[in-house]
Amino acid sequence: DAKTTQPTSMDCAEGRAANLPCNHSTISGNEYVYWYRQIHSQGPQYIIHGLKNNETNEMASLIITEDRKSSTLILPHATLRDTAVYYCIVNPGAGSYQLTFGKGTKLSVIP
Amino acid sequence: GAVVSQHPSWVICKSGTSVKIECRSLDFQATTMFWYRQFPKQSLMLMATSNEGSKATYEQGVEKDKFLINHASLTLSTLTVTSAHPEDSSFYICSARWFRDRSGGYTFGSGTRLTVV
Repeated sequence: DAKTTQPTSMDCAEGRAANLPCNHSTISGNEYVYWYRQIHSQGPQYIIHGLKNNETNEMASLIITEDRKSSTLILPHATLRDTAVYYCIVNPGAGSYQLTFGKGTKLSVIP
Repeated sequence: GAVVSQHPSWVICKSGTSVKIECRSLDFQATTMFWYRQFPKQSLMLMATSNEGSKATYEQGVEKDKFLINHASLTLSTLTVTSAHPEDSSFYICSARWFRDRSGGYTFGSGTRLTVV
């Protein structure tokens, strides 16, 4: 898997948008960008994934730069329950490839 | 959506005993499941990949005779920690891939907190 770089931690005010960046400058053409989050003492939760187009679902939006070397996960209206570690992972998304987790970003939503 | 059920949520066992952790895919068939281990304040580390009907593939440094993985059906994979010791205390998480389309997603169990005393 290509490596990703994320800030160690971020704070966000409750109700504001949380923008979590991720650099993946060595991503291959067939690799997707996945975002997961892990709330304390729980299993990771799938948020969103994309290949090259921007994606949006009920949880978040994913913005991928045109050169695909970086992306941003956007939580439009952060709540206290969004406090978690967020992982950005690149993966071919096919076959039996495992997800390789980096250190992620610890997002703290502040009241 | 795809759900993976993992049991037990937590277990305390005595040193030298064995513990079995189950991971079930509830509404899909999981040809492949992954087992991770997570120590406090660290990220998830892949231990092994289990394929239905065949032997698991272990990551470097993971003892296959200590961490026995069985994936006998398309909906059940088990991890048995044999002769557990305090250093095996950790958070164990299983995962399976669900094929909604080519990219799909990976769904995770809720994890098992193992404490060896």
